[in-house]
Amino acid sequence: IVMTQSPATLSVSPGEGATLSCRASQSVSNNLAWFQGKPGQAPRLLIYGASTRATGTPARFSGSGSGTEFTLTISSLQSEDFALYYCQQYNDWPRTFGQGTKVEIK
Amino acid sequence: QVQLQESGPGLVKPSETLSLTCTVSGGSITTYYWTWIRQPPGKALEWIGHIHYSGNTSYNPSLKSRVTISIDRSKTQFSLRLNSVTAADTAVYYCARGGGKVGAELYWGQGTLVTVSS
Repeated sequence: IVMTQSPATLSVSPGEGATLSCRASQSVSNNLAWFQGKPGQAPRLLIYGASTRATGTPARFSGSGSGTEFTLTISSLQSEDFALYYCQQYNDWPRTFGQGTKVEIK
Repeated sequence: QVQLQESGPGLVKPSETLSLTCTVSGGSITTYYWTWIRQPPGKALEWIGHIHYSGNTSYNPSLKSRVTISIDRSKTQFSLRLNSVTAADTAVYYCARGGGKVGAELYWGQGTLVTVSS
C-alpha cells in the first residue's frame, strides 16, 4: 500500500493552524497513524486509529478520515510543533509510511 | 514504563552482515509485535519487518531476501540480521513495539546509526 503525503513542505507562522494530508493507494480502514519526527530523536506516535490521540498528545492535534483519505490538523502551532510528520498504515503488511510533510516556520 | 534499547556495531563493511539487538525492559514481551524500522540520512522512515511473540514474522518485500528477525523470550530481546549490506543500507535503525490496542508503534528505542563503509 503506497502512502502519499501532501504537501511536502508547509510554511506556517506560529499560532496559525496547519492541515496535512495523507492518501492511501487502497483502503486501510481506520488503521492509520501519525508520527512526529525531530532530528536526533525517535519518532513519536501522535495519533492512531486515524483519530485517537496517543497518551500525551496535545489536544491541538486532531486526526480524521477513513478508507483512503486522512488529515492531521494542528489548530495553533507552537514552537515545538515545527517538525516532520509521517503517516503510516498498519492495516496490511508490509506496514508503509508516507514520505513525510515538513512543517517549517514561515 | 516500557523502554527499548538498540545495540550493535555502528560500522559494517559492504557485503557483510548487519546485526542489531533490541533489549526490552519495563514491560512484557508477550502479545505485541516487535518491529525494526530504519531511516536513511535525509530520507523517510522504512518499515523493515516485525516478529510476534509467537514467532511469526513479516518482512518488507524489498528486503525480505536479506532479512531475519528473531526473538529471545528468556532475555526479552529481539534481533535483526541484514545480509549482504551496501551503502544504501546506511541508516538510523530503530526498534519499536507495535500491536496491542494501539496497533501502531507506540514505544521506540532511541535509534542507532549504522554506517556501511569499507
